[in-house]
This record gives sequence, structure tokens and C-alpha cells, in this order.
Amino acid sequence: SQQGEEDPQALSIQEGENATMNCSYKTSINNLQWYRQNSGRGLVHLILIRSNEREKHSGRLRVTLDTSKKSSSLLITASRAADTASYFCAPYILAGGGNKLTFGTGTQLKVEL
Amino acid sequence: DGGITQSPKYLFRKEGQNVTLSCEQNLNHDAMYWYRQDPGQGLRLIYYSQIVNDFQKGDIAEGYSVSREKKESFPLTVTSAQKNPTAFYLCASAEYSNQPQHFGDGTRLSIL
Repeated sequence: SQQGEEDPQALSIQEGENATMNCSYKTSINNLQWYRQNSGRGLVHLILIRSNEREKHSGRLRVTLDTSKKSSSLLITASRAADTASYFCAPYILAGGGNKLTFGTGTQLKVEL
Repeated sequence: DGGITQSPKYLFRKEGQNVTLSCEQNLNHDAMYWYRQDPGQGLRLIYYSQIVNDFQKGDIAEGYSVSREKKESFPLTVTSAQKNPTAFYLCASAEYSNQPQHFGDGTRLSIL
């Protein structure tokens, strides 16, 4: 079953604006990862945040994690047309049946010129 | 360059036919994964392997089979028992199961 649920499902912004995507999950996690997928391609790992971390930065990306609310957010600052893609959160869940990385349904981001 | 290679990019299956999707990695990763992605949906785990000669079923293993005879290779067979095989199939590898996964560029399987 899918654990990560992204919100919104789709987001359209103008170049230069910031884009914020949210993720919620249901169970305890070891870490939470964000991935990007361009149309028709494989996923590319963006950033990993551990369960004991609250915020992490990588270039124009900022990820936050609130384990008490079981939620995470991905902020892309000063967006570019090249950021147009689907973004997936992937909590690494700790489950009795086996720990594993689970993927949400993604947020489709469109950045317009 | 290190990476993960999937082939073919496009594949067509006839009714009653088994087809095999190739996945090769030269990243020296122990863990490998197969996912299925349907339009507008997330990834669903089919099978995974954490070490050579061992693999486990994921969430949607019915109608699929895998082997892991070599560290670099993790082929997926879509059998005739899989009644709705049309999808985008993604292979991934990771150093350890909780580490970032590296993905291939996928195989798109369609039914003739």
C-alpha cells in the first residue's frame, strides 16, 4: 500500500516563483526521500532527510520533516522551466512485514515562462 | 560512467507470451528493485533483492518472476498469468535498502 501522499496533485507556477509540495505518511520512518521524474524517464533522487532531522537544504531545494505530524514538505525556490517534472516523496517505513521505501502518487509541477 | 541500464526501451507482448525485461547495474549495489508505474500513479513494488541468489515478493508480485544470479543483473519476466501487463516498468538499485535508489530509464510494455 502507498504510504506517501503528496499534495497538491498538480501545481502550475510562473518561472521565478517558489513551489511547495507536501507529503504525508502513516507510520514510523527511518528517513524520507524526495525524487523527481521527467516525463518518460526514470526517477532521480533529490534529497534524503533522516527521521532525527528537521530541515535540509540542497541548492534551491529545502526539505522539512515533522515526525510528530507525519509530514514533509519540499520547497523549490526561484523555479525554472527545467524544474517541470513530477515530484515524489518516498518515506522509508519501518514495518513488521519488512522495512521498505514507499512512493506516493506524486505532484506534477509545471513551470511556465 | 556508473549507472543502471534497462532494455529494451519499448516491448510488445502477444497474448499468452512471456517476456523478459533486462536490468543491469555497474554501481556495485547489493539491493535491486522492480517497480510498476501506471499512468498518473506512483510506483508499486513488484520484487526486490537484497543479495545475490535471494529475492522477495513486493506488493504486486503475482504474474511476475525474477532471478538474481549475478550482483549486476536482476531480470524481470512478465508471464502470461499477468493479465494487465501494460505499464511502465522501472528497475532501481541501492547500496543498502534505506539508501537512495538509482533508477534506470524504464521499459514501456504494451500488448499487441
